[in-house]
Amino acid sequence: GAVVSQHPSRVICKSGTSVKIECRSLDFQATTMFWYRQFPKQSLMLMATSNEGSKATYEQGVEKDKFLINHASLTLSTLTVTSAHPEDSSFYICSARQGADGYTFGSGTRLTVV
Amino acid sequence: AQSVTQPDIHITVSEGASLELRCNYSYGATPYLFWYVQSPGQGLQLLLKYFSGDTLVQGIKGFEAEFKRSQSSFNLRKPSVHWSDAAEYFCAVAKSGGSYIPTFGRGTSLIVHP
Repeated sequence: GAVVSQHPSRVICKSGTSVKIECRSLDFQATTMFWYRQFPKQSLMLMATSNEGSKATYEQGVEKDKFLINHASLTLSTLTVTSAHPEDSSFYICSARQGADGYTFGSGTRLTVV
Repeated sequence: AQSVTQPDIHITVSEGASLELRCNYSYGATPYLFWYVQSPGQGLQLLLKYFSGDTLVQGIKGFEAEFKRSQSSFNLRKPSVHWSDAAEYFCAVAKSGGSYIPTFGRGTSLIVHP
């Protein structure tokens, strides 16, 4: 089946620095990928839709300058958390859709900003 | 816009007992419905999905769910729970057709007692 690889699985960074998270579709091409944020014991909130070769579409309330998304190829989307602060600490998950099979999710990235 | 409600935050069952996790949705037409499972610190794995056809859907790991249009429900069931089923379960709903990006419920945490 479809596999989505997300890297890193965990990252700790200092406040004010930037962190890049990668999301790769391993055995299929994904023109569209999705980035979610999950707070502890809560559901997944869609942050943005990443479109290959064009600008990402952000959900209401998500700062596009804070969460930079790049989808330069059909198998890779990246999310960069810029000038990270402790309140950005969260679990970030990407997903991609493969045809009619629905969405496949990455294993997530635990970001801790200290 | 579509929405989904999972009324139970926690469910505790004994190993070997049957399980039912509740999910109610709000959508004007027949939606696409999903159940995902998430182990601690991991991404989401699709258990099953309903797009159309037979309202009783079989999934992986012995799970099934039944779409009941009259009750706007899509409850997840398993006849005999194993300790390894302890995890977070998310019901999701999406608009039928198009990109059907799922909207997630808040999740139900399943605790399994030996």
